[in-house]
Amino acid sequence: TQTVSQSDAHVTVFEGDSVELRCNYSYGGSIYLSWYIQHHGHGLQFLLKYYSGNPVVQGVNGFEAEFSKSDSSFHLRKASVHWSDSAVYFCAVSPNSAGNKLTFGIGTRVLVRP
Amino acid sequence: EAAVTQSPRSKVAVTGGKVTLSCHQTNNHDYMYWYRQDTGHGLRLIHYSYVADSTEKGDIPDGYKASRPSQENFSLILELASLSQTAVYFCASSLRGPTEVFFGKGTRLTVV
Repeated sequence: TQTVSQSDAHVTVFEGDSVELRCNYSYGGSIYLSWYIQHHGHGLQFLLKYYSGNPVVQGVNGFEAEFSKSDSSFHLRKASVHWSDSAVYFCAVSPNSAGNKLTFGIGTRVLVRP
Repeated sequence: EAAVTQSPRSKVAVTGGKVTLSCHQTNNHDYMYWYRQDTGHGLRLIHYSYVADSTEKGDIPDGYKASRPSQENFSLILELASLSQTAVYFCASSLRGPTEVFFGKGTRLTVV
C-alpha cells in the first residue's frame, strides 16, 4: 500500500517569493506522481506529473517538481508566486500497476500575501 | 474542453435516507472515480469504474454503492445515509494509465 506525506499543512509567502511544497511517499515499486491545485470552492486541477525520464518536470503557471527516488520525494516549487497561487496543493501517487487510482496527501494550504 | 459535471452541487439529507449523487463527463474517458474529501484526510477513493456496467471498490467503499450505466454517467448511491457521510464528494474521469485526472466541482453533502 502506498502512502503520501505532505509535511506542511500551511505555508504563507509574499507575492514574488519562491515557494517549495514538500511531498514524500512510501511505496516499494514503480510509481506515478502528480500535483493538483484546489482553489477555494472548486474541484482539483492538474498541475504536473512524473512517470519516467527527466526527474524535473515542468507544469502549468511556472510550477515545477523534482522526483527523487533516493529520498522518496516529489517536491513542488515555484520561483515567484502570484496572489492567484493561493490555494490548497495536493500531492498524489499511484502505483504504475494501478492505473490512475490516486492516493492523495492531506494537502498544503498556501496563502500568498501582497 | 474536458468537462465533468456533478449534480446536485449541494444537498442536505436525512439520516437513514437514500442519496444519489450524479456525475456526467463529456471527455470520452473510460475511467471514472468517486472521491470523498474531509478536512485532514485529503481525498479518498470510494469507487471507480473502467468500463460501463462495471464498478470496482476503492479504498473506503463501505456504505456506498456505485453505478455506471454508460461511459458518460457514474452515480454514487448512499442507501442509508449516516452522519459520518457528511463530506464533499468529487467525481473525476481520466484516460487509461498515468495521465491527468479531470475533476468535477464537487457536491457538498450534509447528513442531518
